[in-house]
Amino acid sequence: GAGVSQSPSNKVTEKGKDVELRCDPISGHTALYWYRQSLGQGLEFLIYFQGNSAPDKSGLPSDRFSAERTGGSVSTLTIQRTQQEDSAVYLCASSLGRNQPQHFGDGTRLSIL
Amino acid sequence: QKEVEQDPGPLSVPEGAIVSLNCTYSNSAFQYFMWYRQYSRKGPELLMYTYSSGNKEDGRFTAQVDKSSKYISLFIRDSQPSDSATYLCAFPIQGAQKLVFGQGTRLTINP
Repeated sequence: GAGVSQSPSNKVTEKGKDVELRCDPISGHTALYWYRQSLGQGLEFLIYFQGNSAPDKSGLPSDRFSAERTGGSVSTLTIQRTQQEDSAVYLCASSLGRNQPQHFGDGTRLSIL
Repeated sequence: QKEVEQDPGPLSVPEGAIVSLNCTYSNSAFQYFMWYRQYSRKGPELLMYTYSSGNKEDGRFTAQVDKSSKYISLFIRDSQPSDSATYLCAFPIQGAQKLVFGQGTRLTINP
């Protein structure tokens, strides 16, 4: 079956611009997660959704970062006024529910010039 | 002290060798243990998932957990060039619904 789908796969933008990253979870998965992977920091948790609500936003690095999920399915991660340190691979994962294995998409590779 | 320690490698071995990958952790609350494999420019792929001490085998892969020593291992038998990837240990934080990852070990299997 279809896995987690992320778009775009690559994004290059200028410092100061806003970007939107999209995640389509596996059908039927109620839990959705965003992580960030960078060379120096490894894989870091950003935010977790259960349905459309986000009980854990503890990993969002600043108020420039926000995320939403609609219809219990698609999620969008938005970064406002991008900075060079935002350059990383942004990974989305989904799971059947709480405490279930997480399955990852291939990520969006974001480069801030 | 980092919550999870994993040797980043790189590790290079000949085809057919037995590979041992390891992680140590400091958080006694970790109850579940995972290994992910990540190919270049791809997302992590779940390989093994266990919650008890001891061994769990799946084909050429064996996951070993020693909770008393806070040490987990992944063994790959009869390694193949297609096993060349980065291997990440991961620990779910119960109640927090997030994974804490090791830095990943980059493995190359040479034909």
